[in-house]
Amino acid sequence: EDQVTQSPEALRLQEGESSSLNCSYTVSGLRGLFWYRQDPGKGPEFLFTLYSAGEEKEKERLKATLTKKESFLHITAPKPEDSATYLCAVKDRESGGSYIPTFGRGTSLIVHP
Amino acid sequence: NAGVTQTPKFRVLKTGQSMTLLCAQDMNHEYMYWYRQDPGMGLRLIHYSVGEGTTAKGEVPDGYNVSRLKKQNFLLGLESAAPSQTSVYFCASSPGGRGRYQETQYFGPGTRLLVL
Repeated sequence: EDQVTQSPEALRLQEGESSSLNCSYTVSGLRGLFWYRQDPGKGPEFLFTLYSAGEEKEKERLKATLTKKESFLHITAPKPEDSATYLCAVKDRESGGSYIPTFGRGTSLIVHP
Repeated sequence: NAGVTQTPKFRVLKTGQSMTLLCAQDMNHEYMYWYRQDPGMGLRLIHYSVGEGTTAKGEVPDGYNVSRLKKQNFLLGLESAAPSQTSVYFCASSPGGRGRYQETQYFGPGTRLLVL
């Protein structure tokens, strides 16, 4: 059973059409939740870290929120350059001292002009 | 700073051949990781290291070996390549430690490996 589940798998939006990506997780105790952006043919690039329920982080058109069971990545008025795969990763307090994250499978976002 | 670099960028191997992928980071990070990424599977951890001279198995370690003789380098070896090891391999590093923001991972550009 996946610890981290992202939905939808793929999302197509028109430029300016706001939407949200979901990352639900099952852990013993959340140590941290991470969002990354991955462009085709490149490595993931760090976006946000969230540590506790109620926490929010913003960067340009992106806003990440966290509850006790899931995180949302809200995209407001997206532009074609926001097209990418967005990855969510979770670190569990019970995974030992090495704090190794578990990644979800990602959401592929395409924004049409 | 170059960040995390990976060598080579692309490689084609025949079944049974061996090769080593090199990862280097110039951020003085303690932790380093090797992942593979396959369509529909997401990032899966192969091996990781929490410091110079240490290594540990991840989720999918079979068929791979690693070494971290120097803090800045993390090598991934394939002793006898198989077609199932065709994938994109990513290296990452993080500062390490227990404090917040010590856990952010920085990824390299990836190595595309095709095993025929």
